Amino acid sequence: GENVEQHPSTLSVQEGDSAVIKCTYSDSASNYFPWYKQELGKRPQLIIDIRSNVGEKKDQRIAVTLNKTAKHFSLHITETQPEDSAVYFCAASRASGTYKYIFGTGTRLKVLA
Amino acid sequence: GAGVSQSPSNKVTEKGKDVELRCDPISGHTALYWYRQSLGQGLEFLIYFQGNSAPDKSGLPSDRFSAERTGGSVSTLTIQRTQQEDSAVYLCASSSRGEGYGYTFGSGTRLTVV
Repeated sequence: GENVEQHPSTLSVQEGDSAVIKCTYSDSASNYFPWYKQELGKRPQLIIDIRSNVGEKKDQRIAVTLNKTAKHFSLHITETQPEDSAVYFCAASRASGTYKYIFGTGTRLKVLA
Repeated sequence: GAGVSQSPSNKVTEKGKDVELRCDPISGHTALYWYRQSLGQGLEFLIYFQGNSAPDKSGLPSDRFSAERTGGSVSTLTIQRTQQEDSAVYLCASSSRGEGYGYTFGSGTRLTVV
């Protein structure tokens, strides 16, 4: 069935260092891969997404890479700041607009000041 | 509306009772989704509505769970004969077709079954 694995489950980094979170998906029909950030007690919010026709996308300190052949994608956060501390979820879907997302189990990122 | 609204924000119910959770999506969004997030866990897909199509119910964990969407807008998730393992945050999201549109989540309903 459809499944998304996410690693690591927890990640601690020093402020200013980089953080990398990796996900692997099983559904070969997936072509849209969003990342959500969830701060404690708040709703998940979209931070970046990538479609299968590109291999990399960057938005300031955040970048996402996609390897469709290997069915894995990663989130890279550079120059981490304390406000980056949150739970990050990856997801895979067959469409960007109107289709269900299968989420990974989440990564709790702690940025140590 | 400006965002996805869910009510109630918190619900405490006794084991065995039925509960109804409501979601009011962003106006014009054709798709609506329900997810469940248990404490410290990921987002578990429950059900998805798209326009007038038959809903995708493949994530509903048991026949105690049902959902409907009236008039292509407001949705209600109903849990019958609640059990303690139903305790979780129930998140609703909506989305629209087109490039660049991800989900917008509501703030969720925290359900506690005692």
